Amino acid sequence: GQQLNQSPQSMFIQEGEDVSMNCTSSSIFNTWLWYKQEPGEGPVLLIALYKAGELTSNGRLTAQFGITRKDSFLNISASIPSDVGIYFCAGQLQGGSEKLVFGKGTKLTVNP
Amino acid sequence: EPEVTQTPSHQVTQMGQEVILRCVPISNHLYFYWYRQILGQKVEFLVSFYNNEISEKSEIFDDQFSVERPDGSNFTLKIRSTKLEDSAMYFCASGQGGGKLFFGSGTQLSVL
Repeated sequence: GQQLNQSPQSMFIQEGEDVSMNCTSSSIFNTWLWYKQEPGEGPVLLIALYKAGELTSNGRLTAQFGITRKDSFLNISASIPSDVGIYFCAGQLQGGSEKLVFGKGTKLTVNP
Repeated sequence: EPEVTQTPSHQVTQMGQEVILRCVPISNHLYFYWYRQILGQKVEFLVSFYNNEISEKSEIFDDQFSVERPDGSNFTLKIRSTKLEDSAMYFCASGQGGGKLFFGSGTQLSVL
């Protein structure tokens, strides 16, 4: 099946630091999305990207849709304790499928 | 803000029993999905539903699984004869097309 390689698997940072995580694939995607999941909850949509090269911000979060349409990154600036959670990239494959393929997630821990 | 709601939040069942997981998608959405997440792992696609029929399903979604939209608001997932390996968090999601999905908080299914 289609694979999204998400890295890093986990991150331990100090409050105030910037964070960067990314996803890559051998497949081409029409849409890239970034979700955050907290314990016992469903994924919450953070950012959606629709065009190759698109750079979109949501507050302290910035994400980009790679030019090749095979990758995306998410940056979090000036991290705060409530940024703790698991961040998932997800993509909608080229070819008309409506399903999302998810990465394995990046677990973020922020030390106050 | 509209949200996807799921009931129950937790379901414990005996192996071999039937379970029905319920979801109320966001009212003006046209695409409905079930995903599952085994503890500590990534979110996996099960099935998508559009225009009153299954539009896509994964290898996980075998003959033991079925979905139904019995009225204009509910969307259900039925597992006919549960197995131990069906234990997972099941997420319902809905969207308007184009890949942007909104997830419910999930039903934690435990098969004993």
